[in-house]
Amino acid sequence: NAGVTQTPKFQVLKTGQSMTLQCAQDMNHEYMSWYRQDPGMGLRLIHYSVGAGITDQGEVPNGYNVSRSTTEDFPLRLLSAAPSQTSVYFCATSDYNEQFFGPGTRLTVL
Amino acid sequence: QQPVQSPQAVILREGEDAVINCSSSKALYSVHWYRQKHGEAPVFLMILLKGGEQKGHEKISASFNEKKQQSSLYLTASQLSYSGTYFCGTGFSTSGTYKYIFGTGTRLKVLA
Repeated sequence: NAGVTQTPKFQVLKTGQSMTLQCAQDMNHEYMSWYRQDPGMGLRLIHYSVGAGITDQGEVPNGYNVSRSTTEDFPLRLLSAAPSQTSVYFCATSDYNEQFFGPGTRLTVL
Repeated sequence: QQPVQSPQAVILREGEDAVINCSSSKALYSVHWYRQKHGEAPVFLMILLKGGEQKGHEKISASFNEKKQQSSLYLTASQLSYSGTYFCGTGFSTSGTYKYIFGTGTRLKVLA
């Protein structure tokens, strides 16, 4: 089993560009979430989903969109990238007892 | 809303003990602890449930005080491999759904 996979591992964008960070899991977990981690800031919740077709905003949702059409996939879309979105992004799934993280995507916005 | 951890950072010598605290302004029903090594994803250490027992993992244990809305992580006889950033995490039911957030983090460095 692959667990939680994220693509790409690294990405550089110019201000104003859009892109989608991919997250896929094969653990059959209903709960999936996206976090961003900035130096010294810990993990902040962007969006989360409790099942296919159900998403909700976390603590820092502005500038990001999500959708959940299947249990397996939970992509995160940056609508118009800004330098403030430079960060490491982690996708996670949960069985409500433990969070399982993907390896992360390091995003730089110039 | 984010749980607050203390201390923010701690430096230890091998073999020394440390305590990391996690405090929430909201009622806690469970607390999870994670460790993150530099450049890696966080890894689950343990879960403590409301009304449950203190859990242990190797020489790392934790406690959960529901009334004080606090949890503490105890690292005994620290090893070099314990270096990393420790996060507490907890889930909240909100507006009919459930979201999971992490504490502010504690950076721990163990020196030889």
